[in-house]
Amino acid sequence: GAVVSQHPSRVICKSGTSVKIECRSLDFQATTMFWYRQFPKQSLMLMATSNEGSKATYEQGVEKDKFLINHASLTLSTLTVTSAHPEDSSFYICSAKEPFNYGYTFGSGTRLTVV
Amino acid sequence: QQQVKQSPQSLIVQKGGISIINCAYENTAFDYFPWYQQFPGKGPALLIAIRPDVSEKKEGRFTISFNKSAKQFSLHIMDSQPGDSATYFCAASIAGTASKLTFGTGTRLQVTL
Repeated sequence: GAVVSQHPSRVICKSGTSVKIECRSLDFQATTMFWYRQFPKQSLMLMATSNEGSKATYEQGVEKDKFLINHASLTLSTLTVTSAHPEDSSFYICSAKEPFNYGYTFGSGTRLTVV
Repeated sequence: QQQVKQSPQSLIVQKGGISIINCAYENTAFDYFPWYQQFPGKGPALLIAIRPDVSEKKEGRFTISFNKSAKQFSLHIMDSQPGDSATYFCAASIAGTASKLTFGTGTRLQVTL
């Protein structure tokens, strides 16, 4: 089946620094990828939709200059949290839309802690 | 509206029992209804999904029941096991490459011995 690899699984960074999270579709080409944020005991909150070769579409209330998304190839999308603050600490999850069917495959998530 | 309402918020079931989680949607354009299972610290994993052209789909111990007229769908877990203890999310989407999933609020299932 479709596999999406997300790295790193955990990252700790200092306030003010930037951190990059990678999302790769391993066995299929993903023209569309999605980035979610999940707070403890809550549902997934869509942050942005990433389309290969074009600018990401951000959901209302998501700071595009803070959460930079790049989808430069059909198998790789990256989320960069810039000038991280402790309130950016969260669980970030990527997802890729499978081609030719209705399915969505999720990565294993990245636990970001900003200290 | 794009909401998907999910209930209950939490559920405790004895081993061997049936777990039932319900979802309701508003947007009649939705035509794909998946259920995801999520363990702590992991991403969601697809359990089972249904399209609106069928009223029921069964895969092993997991069954989706779908009621198009009522705009409701539910997940039934038969013979629930402690290993099923996880958070379950229903979702819905509209066909299309860039279509996003709309998630329910999640149900935390605990299966006791």
